[in-house]
Amino acid sequence: QVHLMQSGAEVKKPGSSVKVSCKASGGTFSSYAISWVRQAPGQGLEWMGGIIPIFGTTNYAQKFQGRVTITADESTSTAYMELSSLRSEDTAMYYCARHFSGSYLGYHMDVWGKGTTVTVSS
Amino acid sequence: EIVLTQSPGTLSLSPGERATLSCRASQSVSSSNLAWFQQKPGQAPRLLIYDASSRATGIPDRFSGSGSGTDFTLTISRLEPEDFAVYYCQQYGSSPGTFGQGTKVEIK
Repeated sequence: QVHLMQSGAEVKKPGSSVKVSCKASGGTFSSYAISWVRQAPGQGLEWMGGIIPIFGTTNYAQKFQGRVTITADESTSTAYMELSSLRSEDTAMYYCARHFSGSYLGYHMDVWGKGTTVTVSS
Repeated sequence: EIVLTQSPGTLSLSPGERATLSCRASQSVSSSNLAWFQQKPGQAPRLLIYDASSRATGIPDRFSGSGSGTDFTLTISRLEPEDFAVYYCQQYGSSPGTFGQGTKVEIK
């Protein structure tokens, strides 16, 4: 059974960057798309972007274009999400989630990490 | 992008009652690529329903999904105490994969 382990909580200054990791265990990593979803305090869920590790192809929500970079390391079965130029509005819980197959489109997210809290504060 | 509107915002019901949650899309959802998630405080979302009407592994049969095109429904036939939570719909047929704003099911 696939399990996604995310890195620990982060506190960052405005203008800096944060890199969150998501390590998969218990299943095949490369063949499945991984998405990143964030949730601001008391708010709903927001898809940020995703990656298909076996191809290295990425797709980002327009809102985050230019500020987010999603990568994957097949050798360690780990996906990463880096968000730059942080502002207070980026304070949120960041989740990684695995899609049922090798695409963000057409396949639901069936396995989720527990989330990583990112706090942006001066 | 496809905008998903969930209603009602809050549903106040008693255990044992039936819950009906709605998710309406601004345009047709491709191939009924719509999922429902349950989220409890301090927890990650949990997949309940995918492809509009298929139950995820381990999900009790009191949860059912229906709909196509632009109108989708999640029904909880008899609410159990553990079902009081926030529910989100999400479409994954078009990029970006958008979520509804959520429906909170609270104890009356």
